[in-house]
Amino acid sequence: SAVISQKPSRDICQRGTSLTIQCQVDSQVTMMFWYRQQPGQSLTLIATANQGSEATYESGFVIDKFPISRPNLTFSTLTVSNMSPEDSSIYLCSVENWDRAYNEQFFGPGTRLTVL
Amino acid sequence: GQQVMQIPQYQHVQEGEDFTTYCNSSTTLSNIQWYKQRPGGHPVFLIQLVKSGEVKKQKRLTFQFGEAKKNSSLHITATQTTDVGTYFCAGRSSGTYKYIFGTGTRLKVLA
Repeated sequence: SAVISQKPSRDICQRGTSLTIQCQVDSQVTMMFWYRQQPGQSLTLIATANQGSEATYESGFVIDKFPISRPNLTFSTLTVSNMSPEDSSIYLCSVENWDRAYNEQFFGPGTRLTVL
Repeated sequence: GQQVMQIPQYQHVQEGEDFTTYCNSSTTLSNIQWYKQRPGGHPVFLIQLVKSGEVKKQKRLTFQFGEAKKNSSLHITATQTTDVGTYFCAGRSSGTYKYIFGTGTRLKVLA
């Protein structure tokens, strides 16, 4: 299994500012995923982060708004830039574990962001 | 794009009653996973189904993958208060690495 930590766990930010969320994994992983989950809703994939290459963004998400770094195989950051109240959400990082026959995803505890 | 819908959106049951959530994909899937998210928590992996018509059981939970690999179900027998949470299916299509999460079913169990 993989143990994932995220920082911060929650934050309240003013509109127009930026917040960087950190995701740390206790083992080396190839792919890390960033999701957004609005209250009471499902998970929406923002982007996939591979070490050594640019992140791959899903439709509706752009690098200027959600820049991602992946400096090594255990760490990634997601920045939410020029925030607006619509960015209020829970942001989750996840990794896949390929050690078993199936590739379950392990999720971090999430970062609860409120934008005023 | 690919969409994964779940029904019902909400379900309230009395403790001891059975519960079923259904997951339907707009495209054929290579595999499907199920996750449980407790209130205030993060999704936790339950199981993966790969084969057409596959059925897997985990204690009181029974998971099925449809013959056409476009739908799946999760059935809980004799619900307990510990079953409270939101259940998500997540489907992966062939040739892609990413999972699309279903809309989720929120289960409440009344003691």
